[in-house]
Amino acid sequence: GAVVSQHPSRVICKSGTSVKIECRSLDFQATTMFWYRQFPKQSLMLMATSNEGSKATYEQGVEKDKFLINHASLTLSTLTVTSAHPEDSSFYICSASAIQGITYNEQFFGPGTRLTVL
Amino acid sequence: KQEVTQIPAALSVPEGENLVLNCSFTDSAIYNLQWFRQDPGKGLTSLLLIQSSQREQTSGRLNASLDKSSGRSTLYIAASQPGDSATYLCAVNPNRDDKIIFGKGTRLHILP
Repeated sequence: GAVVSQHPSRVICKSGTSVKIECRSLDFQATTMFWYRQFPKQSLMLMATSNEGSKATYEQGVEKDKFLINHASLTLSTLTVTSAHPEDSSFYICSASAIQGITYNEQFFGPGTRLTVL
Repeated sequence: KQEVTQIPAALSVPEGENLVLNCSFTDSAIYNLQWFRQDPGKGLTSLLLIQSSQREQTSGRLNASLDKSSGRSTLYIAASQPGDSATYLCAVNPNRDDKIIFGKGTRLHILP
């Protein structure tokens, strides 16, 4: 099956620093990747949708200058949390959409990255 | 606006029982529906995906049904095991632009 990886799996940083999270599709090409965040005992909230080679589309309420997304290739998207603050601490999950057959798309999810900002 | 609701929010059942998790959505015009499993602190594992033209999908002890007209899907788990303990998420894809909408999940605990 399709595999999506994330790196790092866990990061702890000081307030004010920037953190980059990588999302890779390992065995397929992903034209579209998605970034979600999840607070404890809550469901996933979509932050942004990124298509390879174009600017990401951010959901309402998500600061694009705070959460920088780059989708430079069909197998890699990065999320950079700039000037991180404790309220940015969360579980960040990416997913990648692969076209299978001609009738549907399916999203494959990465294992997530736990960000803790001190 | 599409909304996805999962009931119950939490469920505990003895090992060996068959169980049903429910998902409802407000707009019946969907492209597909997926059921996911999430273990604590982990990412999502896709369990079953049902296209809008399908009524059910099966994988091992899992069976997912879809009734678009009533806006409902169920995930049936047969002969539950302690390893089935996890949060189960239902997600609806309204159209081919891939922006799926998640329910809040059902936290399932199988008692040994």
